[in-house]
Amino acid sequence: AQSVTQLDSQVPVFEEAPVELRCNYSSSVSVYLFWYVQYPNQGLQLLLKYLSGSTLVESINGFEAEFNKSQTSFHLRKPSVHISDTAEYFCAVIGGGTSYGKLTFGQGTILTVHP
Amino acid sequence: KAGVTQTPRYLIKTRGQQVTLSCSPISGHRSVSWYQQTPGQGLQFLFEYFSETQRNKGNFPGRFSGRQFSNSRSEMNVSTLELGDSALYLCASSLGGPLNTEAFFGQGTRLTVV
Repeated sequence: AQSVTQLDSQVPVFEEAPVELRCNYSSSVSVYLFWYVQYPNQGLQLLLKYLSGSTLVESINGFEAEFNKSQTSFHLRKPSVHISDTAEYFCAVIGGGTSYGKLTFGQGTILTVHP
Repeated sequence: KAGVTQTPRYLIKTRGQQVTLSCSPISGHRSVSWYQQTPGQGLQFLFEYFSETQRNKGNFPGRFSGRQFSNSRSEMNVSTLELGDSALYLCASSLGGPLNTEAFFGQGTRLTVV
């Protein structure tokens, strides 16, 4: 079984400041890791994913996340945030041979960007 | 290409009633997963269907059921509704490999039980 802990439920930040949203996971098997973003009254959109290879993965809108196997972490970072980044962010994992469709999500981090 | 479509977007039901939610996946996707999202419990996996077969199931009571049709469209049904079933129900579609490395979500159906 897997579990995901997002260490901050809310992160307020000013526009153009850097931000880090923290995610730790627990699993007895190898996992794939994801960050999803949810805007109000919307579904989830995939922001980025780690499957294998380079431990640093990037999204098209400036976010990046680094997979750290020894610390079982997959923190999300952005060097300069915009108002439009205000949303809820979910870290998720999937792993194991019979995990069909079963993403395990963290509790979410609400990122609020202030002008 | 069209995304994942969930209908209806909003529903209000009375305790004890039953409800059916629909999900149309992206064309070519054969896997559909369902999730329940609530403020208290977060996002929880309900079940996953692939080629009309349920391959995985979460820890929900038998009142929650689903099915998938030959065109990959899926429905989930909740019988004998309880107040605690009020939630955003999300479905996700993917190609259907064992680890579903890219799932695309619909906008959800907001169910309110009164």
